[in-house]
Amino acid sequence: QVQLQESGPGLVKPSETLSLTCTVSGGSISSYYWSWIRQPPGKGLEWIAYVYYSGSTSYNPSLKSRITISVETSKNQISLKLGSVTAADTALYYCARGALRSSFDYWGQGTLVTVSS
Amino acid sequence: DIQMTQSPSSLSASVGDRVTITCRASQSISNYLNWYQQKPGKAPKLLIYAASSLQSGVPSRFSGSGSGTDFTLTITSLQPEDFATYYCQQSYSTRLTFGGGTKVEIK
Repeated sequence: QVQLQESGPGLVKPSETLSLTCTVSGGSISSYYWSWIRQPPGKGLEWIAYVYYSGSTSYNPSLKSRITISVETSKNQISLKLGSVTAADTALYYCARGALRSSFDYWGQGTLVTVSS
Repeated sequence: DIQMTQSPSSLSASVGDRVTITCRASQSISNYLNWYQQKPGKAPKLLIYAASSLQSGVPSRFSGSGSGTDFTLTITSLQPEDFATYYCQQSYSTRLTFGGGTKVEIK
């Protein structure tokens, strides 16, 4: 059974860079797309970016200038970096398997990131 | 961007009721439409993919239909464990988008 686990700091200061890692177990990240999705407290879901195991990427245009998504196949990990964070970036961040022309069929439990000084 | 509009945003229903949630896309997305269920404190769970295909392990009381711009999620005979928030999501365009969600509450 594929399992995803997000990790990263729970608190980030404004203007700094948020860095998250998603570790995939129970299966290989090869041949799949992997996405990051976030959910502000009490609000809906927002797709952030996806990466293919080969490294090709796509970003949400509203966040594109601040995002980097990458994959490390040797570690079965997907990473997300979001720069110049503000309070508006406070959210539960999920990693999920899936992207364009597919569905998000596996999700991590999510990691809460709070942006505050 | 493709906007996804769900209705209603919330509804109250009783156990055993038939519930229908609609999702409208701002342009045609063929059948690239997925439905998710989210319970408080939990990650979303895939229910329906490609508009009408039931994800493995999901009870058959859930069904999806539609194509183009108009889609429907139906729950026949609502069960206590079905009280949750439901989201539609399009995977047609490179900018993936979700609907605003429909909260199904106990009447």
